[in-house]
Amino acid sequence: AQTVTQSQPEMSVQEAETVTLSCTYDTSESDYYLFWYKQPPSRQMILVIRQEAYKQQNATENRFSVNFQKAAKSFSLKISDSQLGDAAMYFCAYRSAFSNQFYFGTGTSLTVIP
Amino acid sequence: GAGVSQSPSNKVTEKGKDVELRCDPISGHTALYWYRQSLGQGLEFLIYFQGNSAPDKSGLPSDRFSAERTGGSVSTLTIQRTQQEDSAVYLCASSPQVLRGGGETQYFGPGTRLLVL
Repeated sequence: AQTVTQSQPEMSVQEAETVTLSCTYDTSESDYYLFWYKQPPSRQMILVIRQEAYKQQNATENRFSVNFQKAAKSFSLKISDSQLGDAAMYFCAYRSAFSNQFYFGTGTSLTVIP
Repeated sequence: GAGVSQSPSNKVTEKGKDVELRCDPISGHTALYWYRQSLGQGLEFLIYFQGNSAPDKSGLPSDRFSAERTGGSVSTLTIQRTQQEDSAVYLCASSPQVLRGGGETQYFGPGTRLLVL
């Protein structure tokens, strides 16, 4: 089975600064999707950004961007100009193009310091 | 429009009792997922429904867990003879049908927090 590893249980960043959250995954497949989800205290999971493995270009969504290194099986999330509303748990997730299952990491708790 | 809703928000039950958790997906979404999130853990896949196809039940942890999806819309997750280790947040997500499977965005509900005493 695929595994997703987030090695940083907790991270903190000063408001307006940049932070990078790490994610690595293990798979033997070549076609898959990677996701970053945000879960604020309200528990509502929200999609932050999505990357398709067959696309070499790194996905970006406003202040959020990823560094997708397919050979290294790494998928880090960079948050620029951090805002107080960015404080949440962030989950990295993997889904094969051939399966219905999503695999989630254990999450990184991000604190934004005013 | 309305998002994914789940009920109840919180449920406290006694060990050995049965519980039913409900999920109302976004209208028109053909795919529906159930996940379990234990304290300090990531999301554990439980079951997946896609349209009228047979559900993917490969993530259900035991035969005490079952789920139905009636009319391709509302889903109910049932846990029979609850155990203390069933205590967790149960999340539901739905997504629309896309032409190339696998990359669709999941829209999550707020979850049901289950506590088994």
